[in-house]
Amino acid sequence: DGGITQSPKYLFRKEGQNVTLSCEQNLNHDAMYWYRQDPGQGLRLIYYSQIVNDFQKGDIAEGYSVSREKKESFPLTVTSAQKNPTAFYLCASSLGDRGENTEAFFGQGTRLTVV
Amino acid sequence: AQSVAQPEDQVNVAEGNPLTVKCTYSVSGNPYLFWYVQYPNRGLQFLLKYITGDNLVKGSYGFEAEFNKSQTSFHLKKPSALVSDSALYFCAVSDPYNFNKFYFGSGTKLNVKP
Repeated sequence: DGGITQSPKYLFRKEGQNVTLSCEQNLNHDAMYWYRQDPGQGLRLIYYSQIVNDFQKGDIAEGYSVSREKKESFPLTVTSAQKNPTAFYLCASSLGDRGENTEAFFGQGTRLTVV
Repeated sequence: AQSVAQPEDQVNVAEGNPLTVKCTYSVSGNPYLFWYVQYPNRGLQFLLKYITGDNLVKGSYGFEAEFNKSQTSFHLKKPSALVSDSALYFCAVSDPYNFNKFYFGSGTKLNVKP
C-alpha cells in the first residue's frame, strides 16, 4: 500500500524544546516537501528536497531544519528558535520532473501544539 | 513573484446545484495547475491538474476545471453538488522554472447544504 506516512498525528512541545516530525514515503519519489498550514493562510513552504542529500529553504524556513539522508525519509525538526510553532504540518512528495505525473501527494499531517 | 489567489473564503451552494470555486494565478511562463481537497484534520487529496492541451480537464469525484490563459484563471466546477463535497479546496501552481516548487492559494471552504 503506497503512500506517505507522517508521525505522530498529534505532538505537544514544551517551550524551548526541539521536536522532530517524521515523514516516510514508499512512492519512490525524488522530491519531498514540508508545508505549514495555519487557518486562513493556506500552505506555506518550509523546506523542500529534490534529491537525496540536498534540500532548499522555502518561504518560512527560519526556526526549522531538515535532513534527507535517504530517499524515503525527510524529517523536519522544529527548533526552539521557531517562535510560533503551533500549526498543522504537512509533508508531501512528487516525482520531481516535468512529466505528466507531476502532482504532489500528501501525508495526513501532524498537529503540533506548544504547551 | 509567483502567486495564486482564491478570492472567496467560502462558497455556499445547495445540494444538486452547480458549484464553482474560483482561482486566478500570477505566474510567468506556462505553469502546471492543480486542485486539491482537504477534509478536517487530514492531508490534501489531489483532484485534477492541467498540464497542456484541452482547456477543460476532468478529475476525481465528478469535478472538472477550466483553464483560461487570457484571464489566468483555473476555476473548479461540478455540475451537481453533493453534501459530501463540503470541504476545503486549494488551488496550486507549479513554478515553470522549477517544477518542484508549488504555490498554494489560501483555500476556499465549500459548504453544500441539503
